Amino acid sequence: DGGITQSPKYLFRKEGQNVTLSCEQNLNHDAMYWYRQDPGQGLRLIYYSQIVNDFQKGDIAEGYSVSREKKESFPLTVTSAQKNPTAFYLCASSKTPGTDNSPLHFGNGTRLTVT
Amino acid sequence: AQRVTQPEKLLSVFKGAPVELKCNYSYSGSPELFWYVQYSRQRLQLLLRHISRESIKGFTADLNKGETSFHLKKPFAQEEDSAMYYCALRDAGNMLTFGGGTRLMVKP
Repeated sequence: DGGITQSPKYLFRKEGQNVTLSCEQNLNHDAMYWYRQDPGQGLRLIYYSQIVNDFQKGDIAEGYSVSREKKESFPLTVTSAQKNPTAFYLCASSKTPGTDNSPLHFGNGTRLTVT
Repeated sequence: AQRVTQPEKLLSVFKGAPVELKCNYSYSGSPELFWYVQYSRQRLQLLLRHISRESIKGFTADLNKGETSFHLKKPFAQEEDSAMYYCALRDAGNMLTFGGGTRLMVKP
C-alpha cells in the first residue's frame, strides 16, 4: 500500500507546543496538499504546494506552517497559535495540474489531540 | 471564492432503492468536479470525475451548469455503498474545495 504516507497515525501534544506532521509520497507528484477534517465540516484546505520551494495558503492557514524542500515531502507544523488544533489531518498529492484531471491521492491521516 | 455545498449530512436508504447525493457549487469559472468516497477504515479516494463521464460502481454524476449541480446517482443502492461521500471542485489555480460531505447508509 504505497503512494502517500502520513506519520504518525495518532499524535498527542500539550497545549502550547508546536508539532510537526509528516507526509511523504513516492508517486512523483508535483502537487501536495494538507486538509483538516472536522465532523460536520468536511475537508478544509490548510496549505498546498504545486512545486518544490513554493506553497500557498488555503482557507484556514492561520496557526499552521509548511515547507516543501523536497518533491516527496510536505511536512505540516501545527503551531501554538492554532486555536483549535485537535483534529484529523489529511495529506494529499496529485500530478501536475491539467494532466489527466489530476485527482488527489490521500494518505491515511494523522489524528492530533492537544490537551 | 468558490463554494461546494452538500445539503444532506446523512442519507439513509434501503438496499435496492435509488440514491441521489446532492452537490451544488458556486464558481465563476469553468469548474472541474469530482466525487470522493471514504469507506469505513479506508482512506479517502476518488470515485469519479465529471470530465470522464464514467460510471464507477454503478454511480454516475452529470454536471449541470445551468443549475450549478453535480449530483451523484445510483439506481439501486447496495449495502457496500455505505460510506462518506464528498463532492469537490478544482479551480483554475488548482485549489480543490470540498463540500461538507454526506454519509450514506444503506440498510438491508
